Amino acid sequence: EAQVTQNPRYLITVTGKKLTVTCSQNMNHEYMSWYRQDPGLGLRQIYYSMNVEVTDKGDVPEGYKVSRKEKRNFPLILESPSPNQTSLYFCASSFSPPGRYGYTFGSGTRLTVV
Amino acid sequence: AQTVTQSQPEMSVQEAETVTLSCTYDTSESDYYLFWYKQPPSRQMILVIRQEAYKQQNATENRFSVNFQKAAKSFSLKISDSQLGDAAMYFCACRGSGGSNYKLTFGKGTLLTVNP
Repeated sequence: EAQVTQNPRYLITVTGKKLTVTCSQNMNHEYMSWYRQDPGLGLRQIYYSMNVEVTDKGDVPEGYKVSRKEKRNFPLILESPSPNQTSLYFCASSFSPPGRYGYTFGSGTRLTVV
Repeated sequence: AQTVTQSQPEMSVQEAETVTLSCTYDTSESDYYLFWYKQPPSRQMILVIRQEAYKQQNATENRFSVNFQKAAKSFSLKISDSQLGDAAMYFCACRGSGGSNYKLTFGKGTLLTVNP
């Protein structure tokens, strides 16, 4: 089944403890992106990657890192999480450029930083 | 760059009735794409309908249709014969045709309630 897999689905952590949210897709998509969703703000792009070893900042990149060492994986790294990074995170992927069916989204990761 | 505005934070509709969700957008690009996504309580982002800006004909997908007014930069979603399963958060989104970032710019969402 074609899908984007995010793990974990839920995560509660403490301020300052480094964490990684994984994202993997099995569709050979070139383009991958991370979004965060906050109430009243919709979804905002954090980082994106056009292909292996090609990444760039989105609209809200502060406090996040990404890497794209393999085409299928695009992990999101929070080096020192803070409470304002409590959010719902989505990974999305597509062909480059996105075709008729556009983007495939993961199931989301609910992160709480206390 | 694009901006997307959804002016209705919440809407409600009676089962089997029709409801229209509003969306306006702004973009400096001449070629772009518009989307409506549905997010049920499961959190999954589900593509409902998509419209290419260069196409004058309004897109339709079964009970879902759009009213695309390019000059007014308006892209509303009409749901006909509403069903209980249509209850969800709906997001309007826009993407430019530029090749540097295939970013979706989302509105803030409209929470749709369907009353039995």
